[in-house]
Amino acid sequence: DGGITQSPKYLFRKEGQNVTLSCEQNLNHDAMYWYRQDPGQGLRLIYYSQIVNDFQKGDIAEGYSVSREKKESFPLTVTSAQKNPTAFYLCASGTGPETQYFGPGTRLLVL
Amino acid sequence: KNEVEQSPQNLTAQEGEFITINCSYSVGISALHWLQQHPGGGIVSLFMLSSGKKKHGRLIATINIQEKHSSLHITASHPRDSAVYICAVILNYGGSQGNLIFGKGTKLSVKP
Repeated sequence: DGGITQSPKYLFRKEGQNVTLSCEQNLNHDAMYWYRQDPGQGLRLIYYSQIVNDFQKGDIAEGYSVSREKKESFPLTVTSAQKNPTAFYLCASGTGPETQYFGPGTRLLVL
Repeated sequence: KNEVEQSPQNLTAQEGEFITINCSYSVGISALHWLQQHPGGGIVSLFMLSSGKKKHGRLIATINIQEKHSSLHITASHPRDSAVYICAVILNYGGSQGNLIFGKGTKLSVKP
């Protein structure tokens, strides 16, 4: 069963806490992406990685960090520096911008 | 300034109606995606096109590169078509790997 999985589906963060969102793909894609979606807004790129052990900041990287130690995995950490983390987070993978497959998303809520 | 504009923002239709969603962009692009996002949040790609027209079942997508405009049409609409439809453009960086810029989406509700 090929695809992209994200976990958890819902995540709650307390004030000052770092939380990590998981993204795994078994599509053998080199490129992986993290997007943030806010109500009434288009998706915005947080970070992307075109190859293992390399990643680039997107348009709204402040307050987030990523790692790409394995081809299959691209976890996103929402740090305490991100002052407005409540949003829907989507992970995608592909061979480039022409082919992107999206995961089911994680909704992050602040307690 | 929004580089990708979609219209309408919200659309309510009766089952069976022909639906058109529009996307205009102001930047140079190499191609454009139409995406569908269901209430659960997951996104699927419907079309990726760089010229002309593509058809899949009841869905038709067209693009006019010179006019910087694309449309998504749904024929014989059905309640299961209710979703948010998102236009995303692939920037033409002239050789570099461009990323996607997304429109805000069009929320479609088809009533039985």
